[in-house]
Amino acid sequence: AQTVTQSQPEMSVQEAETVTLSCTYDTSESDYYLFWYKQPPSRQMILVIRQEAYKQQNATENRFSVNFQKAAKSFSLKISDSQLGDAAMYFCAYRSGEWGAQKLVFGQGTRLTINP
Amino acid sequence: EAQVTQNPRYLITVTGKKLTVTCSQNMNHEYMSWYRQDPGLGLRQIYYSMNVEVTDKGDVPEGYKVSRKEKRNFPLILESPSPNQTSLYFCASSLRTGQTYEQYFGPGTRLTVT
Repeated sequence: AQTVTQSQPEMSVQEAETVTLSCTYDTSESDYYLFWYKQPPSRQMILVIRQEAYKQQNATENRFSVNFQKAAKSFSLKISDSQLGDAAMYFCAYRSGEWGAQKLVFGQGTRLTINP
Repeated sequence: EAQVTQNPRYLITVTGKKLTVTCSQNMNHEYMSWYRQDPGLGLRQIYYSMNVEVTDKGDVPEGYKVSRKEKRNFPLILESPSPNQTSLYFCASSLRTGQTYEQYFGPGTRLTVT
């Protein structure tokens, strides 16, 4: 079974600085998808960024980018120019690439605090 | 507006009193799923449904039931809730086919069982 590990329960960063959240996963599959979700105090799950394992290029969405290291099974999230609105719980998630597979396997989460 | 709705948003109940948390989506999605979120454990899948009348267990199905009689609805049933089912529950839906579809999450239901 696949597992996802986020080893940083909490992180903090000064506003406008850069922070990196770590995520590692374990799988024997070669085709899969990785995600970062943001959960603000409203509890809504918001998709931040998605990476297809077959793509070598790291995904980027505005101030959010990932460092995808397939051989090391590592998938970190970098947030540049941190803003107060980035404060939230962040979850890393894995989904199999098998056709029809939909289950998301989540990590434990990292709570990010932004210091003004 | 495309959305997944859940009701109730908050619920406090007592051990053994049957309850149902409703989930509805308006996007004609085939796939629907329930997750529970607990501190230090992230979200874990309880049950899922690939289409009407097709349901299967996820990773933590004990103590829960589901049904999928209509495509848009996927209720979660706790027939005899216990305190260890106190949690934050999320319903999610997505298209079944395709490779880059996104899962849409409901707003969550905070359940407390005393």
